[in-house]
Amino acid sequence: AQSVTQLGSHVSVSEGALVLLRCNYSSSVPPYLFWYVQYPNQGLQLLLKYTSAATLVKGINGFEAEFKKSETSFHLTKPSAHMSDAAEYFCAVISGTYKYIFGTGTRLKVLA
Amino acid sequence: DTGVSQNPRHKITKRGQNVTFRCDPISEHNRLYWYRQTLGQGPEFLTYFQNEAQLEKSRLLSDRFSAERPKGSFSTLEIQRTEQGDSAMYLCASSLVQALGTEAFFGQGTRLTVV
Repeated sequence: AQSVTQLGSHVSVSEGALVLLRCNYSSSVPPYLFWYVQYPNQGLQLLLKYTSAATLVKGINGFEAEFKKSETSFHLTKPSAHMSDAAEYFCAVISGTYKYIFGTGTRLKVLA
Repeated sequence: DTGVSQNPRHKITKRGQNVTFRCDPISEHNRLYWYRQTLGQGPEFLTYFQNEAQLEKSRLLSDRFSAERPKGSFSTLEIQRTEQGDSAMYLCASSLVQALGTEAFFGQGTRLTVV
């Protein structure tokens, strides 16, 4: 069965610093992976997705993620944090029955 | 494309009452999902439909929960005899299933508070 684990429920970075949010997956078949962002009292918005076309995936708002099969990881990065990046971020994998399975989330705080 | 729409956005109800939420997916999407999200947690899968057929239900979905998607269009999620533990954000999502890599589009959610 597929699953994802997000390390670090809270991450704080200074404005302008590198953002690194960690996600490890477990899957018996090649996974399809997603990162979503959620702002307070809002639904989830897709940041990017990995569908095996390229291991480095670029998304919206300057975010990117790299699929590393050897490490079973799909970490999300952004070179320079902005105050507007403060939100909760969820990693997700899709199961063979097209069910999306989410991690527990990482709340990103950006310090001025 | 107006996105996934959920109504109401907020609902406060007394314990023991029944509540019903509505989700209107993106019009051409054939898959519709319901998730529940509690504070500090990721969305937990409840159920999904392909067109009008309910294909899978989570064990989280007790007998008090029922979902429908008549004619494969909008969907409703009903909770009977609400309990305080039902307080959560209920999220609806839809997708057009063409390949496994297709992403789901989420609505803004319905926040339920049971008092």
